[in-house]
Order: sequence, then C-alpha cells, then structure tokens
Amino acid sequence: EDKVVQSPLSLVVHEGDTVTLNCSYEVTNFRSLLWYKQEKKAPTFLFMLTSSGIEKKSGRLSSILDKKELFSILNITATQTGDSAVYLCAGGLTGGFKTIFGAGTRLFVKA
Amino acid sequence: ETGVTQSPTHLIKTRGQQVTLRCSSQSGHNTVSWYQQALGQGPQFIFQYYREEENGRGNFPPRFSGLQFPNYSSELNVNALELDDSALYLCASSRTENQETQYFGPGTRLLVL
Repeated sequence: EDKVVQSPLSLVVHEGDTVTLNCSYEVTNFRSLLWYKQEKKAPTFLFMLTSSGIEKKSGRLSSILDKKELFSILNITATQTGDSAVYLCAGGLTGGFKTIFGAGTRLFVKA
Repeated sequence: ETGVTQSPTHLIKTRGQQVTLRCSSQSGHNTVSWYQQALGQGPQFIFQYYREEENGRGNFPPRFSGLQFPNYSSELNVNALELDDSALYLCASSRTENQETQYFGPGTRLLVL
C-alpha cells in the first residue's frame, strides 16, 4: 500500500532557528514529491521535486529529493513566527490523478 | 485570476443524511480533485474529475460520488452520512498538463452528529 511518512509529527523552535522536516515515501508509480504548507485550511504549494539531488529554493525554504533512499527533506532557515503551520509532504503518481499525503509536521515557532 | 472557492464553509448534518459540497476551480484549470482531511491527518484522496468524468478514485465507498460541470466546477455528494465522515473536505484544481501542482480551496468543514 502506498504511504508517505513524515517526521517529526510536531516541532517547537525559537525564532531564528533552522529546522529540517523529513519525509519518506513508498509509492508505486512514483512521479514527484510535493511539499505544501497548511496554515488554517487550504494547503498552499511550496515545491515539486522530480529529480534526485537537485535542491529547490524559495527564500528561506529549500528542499531536496533522494530517489534512491525514497526520502525528502524540507529546510527552513532563520525561522519566523509566520512559519508556524502544518507542513505536508505528498507523493504524486504517474498519470497525475492521485496524490498520497503524509500526516504532516506541525511546526510552532516561538517569538 | 480567481482562486479555488468552496461552499459552504461549515455544515452540520445528522447521521444518515445526505450532503452536497461545491467547488469552483481556479480560472484556466480543468481538473478537480477532492480530499477528505480528518483532524490531525493529511488529506486523503477521494477522486478526481477531468472532462466531466471520474479520472481516478481513492479508497472511499460508493456513497461518495461527484460531478463535474462544463465550466469545470464540481460537486461532492455523500449519502448515508456516518459519524466518521466528519472532516474538512478540500477541493483542488489543476491544469491538465501539470496535474500535480494543485491549488486548494479553503475547504468545507463537515460535522456529522
């Protein structure tokens, strides 16, 4: 059965800290690894990764995929209180019609 | 460019009732997917609609059904509601050529009593 596992489940840090969120996946017909940020209701898209070893960056956020180890990480540097959210990792399947989400990592950044 | 919208925002039903949730896709998007997100869990894929037909389905019973209309908006219908159907229902739209980059609506929070 396809599954995506995220760790840790929750994390509390202080402003300015750097955090690393982990995502492992076992997904048949794997095509891409996606990261979303969910603050209240609607998850917002962060990254889509399809190739191993190529880091994607957006401001203080970056992510990389390891297709051999079936693993991805999301890094957030110099965290701010506005980074407090649930970060969702998901596996996208070939054909594009289905996405398998992990349970998420709940990040709380203290001022 | 308008984003994904969903209605209603909140809904309370009793066990056994039926519910219809609505979604308008983002401008230019022709594919709509529905997800169920229970408290503390990630979204679970229900099904996807493309060209007004179901294009894939997750592990949900037939009492979960849907429609897509010519303007790409969509409905999720749930019959014979059960207590475990209480959840946030998310709709996501995407373009055909980039279906993995989905844009989510704000969701409908359903409570079944």
